[in-house]
Amino acid sequence: KQEVTQIPAALSVPEGENLVLNCSFTDSAIYNLQWFRQDPGKGLTSLLLIQSSQREQTSGRLNASLDKSSGRSTLYIAASQPGDSATYLCAVDAGNMLTFGGGTRLMVKP
Amino acid sequence: ETGVTQTPRHLVMGMTNKKSLKCEQHLGHNAMYWYKQSAKKPLELMFVYSLEERVENNSVPSRFSPECPNSSHLFLHLHTLQPEDSALYLCASSQGLTGTREETQYFGPGTRLLVL
Repeated sequence: KQEVTQIPAALSVPEGENLVLNCSFTDSAIYNLQWFRQDPGKGLTSLLLIQSSQREQTSGRLNASLDKSSGRSTLYIAASQPGDSATYLCAVDAGNMLTFGGGTRLMVKP
Repeated sequence: ETGVTQTPRHLVMGMTNKKSLKCEQHLGHNAMYWYKQSAKKPLELMFVYSLEERVENNSVPSRFSPECPNSSHLFLHLHTLQPEDSALYLCASSQGLTGTREETQYFGPGTRLLVL
């Protein structure tokens, strides 16, 4: 059974810092890995999707990497801003369903 | 706005009540999903529908009953729930089933359910 773990569970940083969120998964037989953002009381918004054949994807200040063989992904956020405060979830797709990690709750202080 | 709407946004019900959650997607997608998000656990997939047929039931108790009358609408019928069923219930949709292409899911805002 696929298990997804995210470290750290919570993170508080001052504005302007570069930061890295980590995601690990136990079964490397995946189609893709996705990073989502969830604001309090709201649904999820897709940030980046990395196909299993890809190593990384970039969108603006966000960069996600994937090392399928070691079961790891990182989400790099450059020059963090207070508006980045949210919970970040990674999910792996092994066909028909997404398995989610527990999330990293990020607070960026002005 | 993601194109996926859910009603009601908040629901309080007793253990003997019957209620339904509604999800509607305006994206022309063919697959729809129900997820449960509890305070202490990761987001869990409950049901998957593709072209109005259920393709996945992730060991969900029978007190949760999904219904997909067409590709734009998904319901979750609730009866005799337990307090531990209190959670945020999220609906999502995608063009096709995930895993077959560069596919992502679009999520609704969720229904916050409290069972007393």
